[in-house]
Amino acid sequence: KQEVTQIPAALSVPEGENLVLNCSFTDSAIYNLQWFRQDPGKGLTSLLLIQSSQREQTSGRLNASLDKSSGRSTLYIAASQPGDSATYLCAVIPAGNNRKLIWGLGTSLAVNP
Amino acid sequence: NAGVTQTPKFQVLKTGQSMTLQCAQDMNHEYMSWYRQDPGMGLRLIHYSVGAGITDQGEVPNGYNVSRSTTEDFPLRLLSAAPSQTSVYFCASSSTGHLTGELFFGEGSRLTVL
Repeated sequence: KQEVTQIPAALSVPEGENLVLNCSFTDSAIYNLQWFRQDPGKGLTSLLLIQSSQREQTSGRLNASLDKSSGRSTLYIAASQPGDSATYLCAVIPAGNNRKLIWGLGTSLAVNP
Repeated sequence: NAGVTQTPKFQVLKTGQSMTLQCAQDMNHEYMSWYRQDPGMGLRLIHYSVGAGITDQGEVPNGYNVSRSTTEDFPLRLLSAAPSQTSVYFCASSSTGHLTGELFFGEGSRLTVL
């Protein structure tokens, strides 16, 4: 059974720091992996989607990598800003017929001015 | 750009009452879904639809009904509300299905069942 884990659950950093958020999954047979951002009291916003055949995706200051063999994905945020404060969730779609998103619980990020 | 619109944003119900959470998208997406989000449990899929007239159950369908009469709308009905259904509900849509496409979420409907 596929499980997704995000550690740490919470992270607090000073503004300007480069940081890495981690996402681990137990079964390497995935179709794709997605990173989302959730602001307090709001819905989720898709940040990056990595297909199983890809190693990384980039969008602005965000870079997501995927290593299926080790069951890991990282979201790298460069030069963090207070506006980056939010909860970041990752989700995988397992390969196979039952293709439903399996969600992590998220990492709550606070970037302090 | 409306995207995915959910109503109401907040609702308080008494046990046993019924209600419908509305979800509408204006992006002509075929795939729509309902999730609930609870502390410590993450997002759980309730029901989903891959097109008008087609719906299927997710992980936690009991106590909820859905229908998809149009591409735009995907309402979620609580038949007889229970305190265990207190949660934040999110509707999401995608153009290519959750298999490959980016998911667009509504802002959520916060439901409290007393």
